[in-house]
Amino acid sequence: DTGVSQDPRHKITKRGQNVTFRCDPISEHNRLYWYRQTLGQGPEFLTYFQNEAQLEKSRLLSDRFSAERPKGSFSTLEIQRTEQGDSAMYLCASSLAEVRGDGYTFGSGTRLTVV
Amino acid sequence: LAKTTQPISMDSYEGQEVNITCSHNNIATNDYITWYQQFPSQGPRFIIQGYKTKVTNEVASLFIPADRKSSTLSLPRVSLSDTAVYYCLVGDRGGSYIPTFGRGTSLIVHP
Repeated sequence: DTGVSQDPRHKITKRGQNVTFRCDPISEHNRLYWYRQTLGQGPEFLTYFQNEAQLEKSRLLSDRFSAERPKGSFSTLEIQRTEQGDSAMYLCASSLAEVRGDGYTFGSGTRLTVV
Repeated sequence: LAKTTQPISMDSYEGQEVNITCSHNNIATNDYITWYQQFPSQGPRFIIQGYKTKVTNEVASLFIPADRKSSTLSLPRVSLSDTAVYYCLVGDRGGSYIPTFGRGTSLIVHP
């Protein structure tokens, strides 16, 4: 296992288009997290899953944002009708719910640019 | 969640020891202190975690005073590759814990 993988690494899209990002967690990790990071700021939590259940989604930035993890393995984050303010790095992390503290592994992120 | 305060930026030179202090005045009894490192265009990476006194690993040391209202990440003999943003996080390691990041400290190591 090579860690948390995110695809694509970079995405340029026109305002108003929909985009979808994929995250493949470490295979034995049952928790998966999505974060957004803008320039000069720390990662901002968006949502997380335990297996296929989305346990927290109130921090998603708007109803244009949605996430799925249909089989409890990979996850997708979709942004509909993108806006220039959505330009950011989108990070995924995974962990084992039973392992505390230091068990969070982040991917390298997907950098979204909305033009 | 306990609020953390750390310097926005720091400068150092190769070979020096760097100490980054984080304040967390309202840390709770069950909270642990965790530090992450982030390079440009990469996700954060776990460095070290502690509850009290001193913790040391192959990368860094973490000093936590008895009152636990602050902590200091110590990087021995930094090199250019230690240039990164360092985040201090405080939280209960229980099942509902979600890593919550502030702005971090941008460390620049000069030749």
